[in-house]
Amino acid sequence: AQSVTQPDIHITVSEGASLELRCNYSYGATPYLFWYVQSPGQGLQLLLKYFSGDTLVQGIKGFEAEFKRSQSSFNLRKPSVHWSDAAEYFCAVGFYYGGSQGNLIFGKGTKLSVKP
Amino acid sequence: DAGITQSPRHKVTETGTPVTLRCHQTENHRYMYWYRQDPGHGLRLIHYSYGVKDTDKGEVSDGYSVSRSKTEDFLLTLESATSSQTSVYFCAIRIEGARTAGYTFGSGTRLTVV
Repeated sequence: AQSVTQPDIHITVSEGASLELRCNYSYGATPYLFWYVQSPGQGLQLLLKYFSGDTLVQGIKGFEAEFKRSQSSFNLRKPSVHWSDAAEYFCAVGFYYGGSQGNLIFGKGTKLSVKP
Repeated sequence: DAGITQSPRHKVTETGTPVTLRCHQTENHRYMYWYRQDPGHGLRLIHYSYGVKDTDKGEVSDGYSVSRSKTEDFLLTLESATSSQTSVYFCAIRIEGARTAGYTFGSGTRLTVV
């Protein structure tokens, strides 16, 4: 069965420090990959997505993610974290093949706290 | 952006009562989804639809039913609400296209079952 794993439930970083959030998926083919961010009480905002091509994807708010097929990973990075980045981050994977419905499966999320 | 609205935004209901949540889209996207979000679980798929009257179960479908009689509306019904169904419910549409493909989410419905 397809699955998405975000190993870190909660991460705390200092403002200005770099950030990497991990995401691994289980699937036999290349899926479509997404990162979403959610602030408390808010909806989901798309940060970036990967469908094909260049494996390093740039997103909004200075985020980027790298797809590594050999590791089945799609880790999210930011070189310098701002206090406003404190939120919960979700990795999601859409499995598309042939007539598949392409359902989007989410990881359980990583909560990011930022220290001043 | 694709227009997608959920109603109501908030609802408090009593155990055992039926509840229907509505998801409405303003474009003719084929695929629509209902998710629930609970702390520590991320978003989990309840049901999805791939066309009018075409629906299927997701990961956590027990206690829920859906209907899609028109392309633009996807209804989620809790036949007899239980406290375990207290959650935030998100509707999503799948956007297809070479450059625009992805998913758009509604703002969510916060449901409390007392």
